[in-house]
Amino acid sequence: QSALTQPASVSGSPGQSVTISCSGSSNDIGRFDLVSWYQQHPGKPPKLIIFEVTKRPSGVSGRFAGSKSGNTASLTISGLQAEDEAEYYCCTFAGYTDFFVFGPGTKVTVL
Amino acid sequence: QVQLHESGPGLVKSSETLSLTCTVSGDSLNSHYWNWIRQPPGKGLEWIGQIYVSGTTKYKPSLDSRLTLSLDSSRKQLSLKLISVDTSDTATFYCAGSNRALVNGAFDVWGLGANVTVSS
Repeated sequence: QSALTQPASVSGSPGQSVTISCSGSSNDIGRFDLVSWYQQHPGKPPKLIIFEVTKRPSGVSGRFAGSKSGNTASLTISGLQAEDEAEYYCCTFAGYTDFFVFGPGTKVTVL
Repeated sequence: QVQLHESGPGLVKSSETLSLTCTVSGDSLNSHYWNWIRQPPGKGLEWIGQIYVSGTTKYKPSLDSRLTLSLDSSRKQLSLKLISVDTSDTATFYCAGSNRALVNGAFDVWGLGANVTVSS
């Protein structure tokens, strides 16, 4: 079964940039360009911020950018703002057995 | 704009069946793949299954023997049934849609979630 790894936490000051990594394997992230990222504030449902590795849904700030290299995907938040403080989850399609797998989540703290 | 609303009992006894409904408004069921995703208290997200308007289903392998997803097109409702629950099934259950025309392999619309506690 696929498993993704993310750092438990990252932090940055307002205006800075932070990058969250999401490491998988050649069977999931490395094989499919179907990585998505979700932002979740406490007590709220997740919100899609990146899909298909690099694409942003309408209405999502351009400060969020996704990328992928090999078996690792990344989310970069630039111009960090207080409202960006939240939990961030990566997710990938992992084939027709496991289907979708989420990472464990990364807490972003704005200092 | 699609809106999702989950509903169902907030408390289920261990070994019994957990049943939830997700009501879809604002669009037809044809437009999305429909997913259920759960989140135990204080923990991460777990995809548990998907259903399409044709009735085709996909389940997380570890839940395949206990989980059944269905839909009622006339009522625009999705249903989840999880049998033989135990306390580890305690979670917020989200209904989430993947717009077939806009996103591939992602969940672009979410309900507010239904909190379910399994008591021992």
